[in-house]
Amino acid sequence: KQEVTQIPAALSVPEGENLVLNCSFTDSAIYNLQWFRQDPGKGLTSLLLIQSSQREQTSGRLNASLDKSSGRSTLYIAASQPGDSATYLCAAGSGTNAGKSTFGDGTTLTVKP
Amino acid sequence: KAGVTQTPRYLIKTRGQQVTLSCSPISGHRSVSWYQQTPGQGLQFLFEYFSETQRNKGNFPGRFSGRQFSNSRSEMNVSTLELGDSALYLCASSSDSRSPYNSPLHFGNGTRLTVT
Repeated sequence: KQEVTQIPAALSVPEGENLVLNCSFTDSAIYNLQWFRQDPGKGLTSLLLIQSSQREQTSGRLNASLDKSSGRSTLYIAASQPGDSATYLCAAGSGTNAGKSTFGDGTTLTVKP
Repeated sequence: KAGVTQTPRYLIKTRGQQVTLSCSPISGHRSVSWYQQTPGQGLQFLFEYFSETQRNKGNFPGRFSGRQFSNSRSEMNVSTLELGDSALYLCASSSDSRSPYNSPLHFGNGTRLTVT
């Protein structure tokens, strides 16, 4: 059974700082790893998807890496801004059929002006 | 392109009642999945439908059911509601057009269900 863990549960940083969010998964037989952000009371917004054959993906100030052998993924946020404040979740896609993702509990990020 | 639409946005029900939630996926998306989000359990997978067939199922009791229509719209139903069913129910769609394993999930804003 796939289990996904995100550490730390909460993080507070000053504006402008670079930061790394961590995600670990127990079953390395994943077909993808996705990162999302969730604002209070809202749904999830897809940030990046890394295919199992890839090592990283980049979008603007965001960079996500994947190391299947160690069961880890990281989300790097450069030059953080107050608008980045949200909960960030990772999800591992695995199983015999596509369409099922296991989520971590998320890291709540606060960027202080 | 319109996003994933979930209705209603909020719902208050009494224990023992049943409820139906609706999800309209992004146009062209054929896969629709449902998740339950609670403070204690986080996001948990309920089920996933593709071309009107349930393709994946999570570990929820039979009181939770769903279906998908030919236009890809999906509904989930919860019968005999319990207090513990209070949660944010999220629907996500994906295109599966090239590879079902590498299509991002696009979420709606959810239906907040409160059971009293």
